[in-house]
Amino acid sequence: NAGVMQNPRHLVRRRGQEARLRCSPMKGHSHVYWYRQLPEEGLKFMVYLQKENIIDESGMPKERFSAEFPKEGPSILRIQQVVRGDSAAYFCASSPELNEKLFFGSGTQLSVL
Amino acid sequence: EDKVVQSPLSLVVHEGDTVTLNCSYEVTNFRSLLWYKQEKKAPTFLFMLTSSGIEKKSGRLSSILDKKELFSILNITATQTGDSAVYLCAVPFNFRGTSYGKLTFGQGTILTVHP
Repeated sequence: NAGVMQNPRHLVRRRGQEARLRCSPMKGHSHVYWYRQLPEEGLKFMVYLQKENIIDESGMPKERFSAEFPKEGPSILRIQQVVRGDSAAYFCASSPELNEKLFFGSGTQLSVL
Repeated sequence: EDKVVQSPLSLVVHEGDTVTLNCSYEVTNFRSLLWYKQEKKAPTFLFMLTSSGIEKKSGRLSSILDKKELFSILNITATQTGDSAVYLCAVPFNFRGTSYGKLTFGQGTILTVHP
């Protein structure tokens, strides 16, 4: 049973470009979470999705950031017009049901030049 | 706003030493506290604690929760170089009695174990 898969592992973008980060949850998991880890900071919650629905996006920046989890395919975290401050490690986590025990992916390290 | 504070922020020990990592919290409607180990990148689940005074154990790792004093400790005995990692403590957001994976994490404790 494969774990949470994230790709790419590393992503380099220039300021103003778009970044798309993908996450395939563990098999049988329909609850997906995105977290961001800025340098020298802890993990911060961004958004919680459950198949085709955004349940809680209270941690998402109001502009440029969006997330989806379609019926078929991986969850996508999209960052438009990236800025240097978006450079961080973005982690996806999943769970099989509504609870707090999460299984994390290895993250995508986004670097904005 | 929920708050989680871990101490120390970093710790350097030698193999065979015993370490104690601390986590204090301030949350609205406490339900549980979780410990994760982050090596290289992916945080991996260690323990989830919900009741005071009941120790959870897994090999050389153990953890206990004190809901009265609002803290938890993670003990690692006979440390090995493979225990070198960042140890994270987290509490979930509790909405009307239901918790989900919206976790507030502490900054973590960086543990380095030298041979």
